[in-house]
Amino acid sequence: SQQGEEDPQALSIQEGENATMNCSYKTSINNLQWYRQNSGRGLVHLILIRSNEREKHSGRLRVTLDTSKKSSSLLITASRAADTASYFCATLEYGNKLVFGAGTILRVKS
Amino acid sequence: NAGVMQNPRHLVRRRGQEARLRCSPMKGHSHVYWYRQLPEEGLKFMVYLQKENIIDESGMPKERFSAEFPKEGPSILRIQQVVRGDSAAYFCASSPPTDRGYGYTFGSGTRLTVV
Repeated sequence: SQQGEEDPQALSIQEGENATMNCSYKTSINNLQWYRQNSGRGLVHLILIRSNEREKHSGRLRVTLDTSKKSSSLLITASRAADTASYFCATLEYGNKLVFGAGTILRVKS
Repeated sequence: NAGVMQNPRHLVRRRGQEARLRCSPMKGHSHVYWYRQLPEEGLKFMVYLQKENIIDESGMPKERFSAEFPKEGPSILRIQQVVRGDSAAYFCASSPPTDRGYGYTFGSGTRLTVV
């Protein structure tokens, strides 16, 4: 079953702008993770936020988690053309099962 | 550290044949997960294995699909009597025995095409 649901489904922005993607989930989680997938490639782990954390930063990435609303957001600041990819949130359910959403396709135009 | 190695990268099978997909986890990782991705969709969980044990196979189709992770050697995802609907990208991921907060490491996937 699908756990995380991302929105928007697709996002197109200009280089230098910020990109925000949202994710909602349904069940209790251990942590929530964001991954990037370039076209035709595997997934790359970006950032992990634990259920007891509210915000986390890594370089140009900022992730927030609101467990009361069962939602998370991923902010990419000062976007670059190389950020063009699909972005997936995934929730780690108890039992070590990582469940993915359908993803957001980000296109950064130079 | 070579990361998670999957082979083959591309696999073409005729309907009714068997497909065998291999995954070697990262060194030190004893947990392996298989996911399937249909075109322009997210990853769907299939099965979670530890050495010689299937921990969670709730995402595996009831028929034709099986997975193993033997004591020695790679994890194998086996699809018998493939059908066109099995065409997808199959990804393997691995993780260490304890949560170190780094997420899963994914392989580059095997793209199965059934003709």
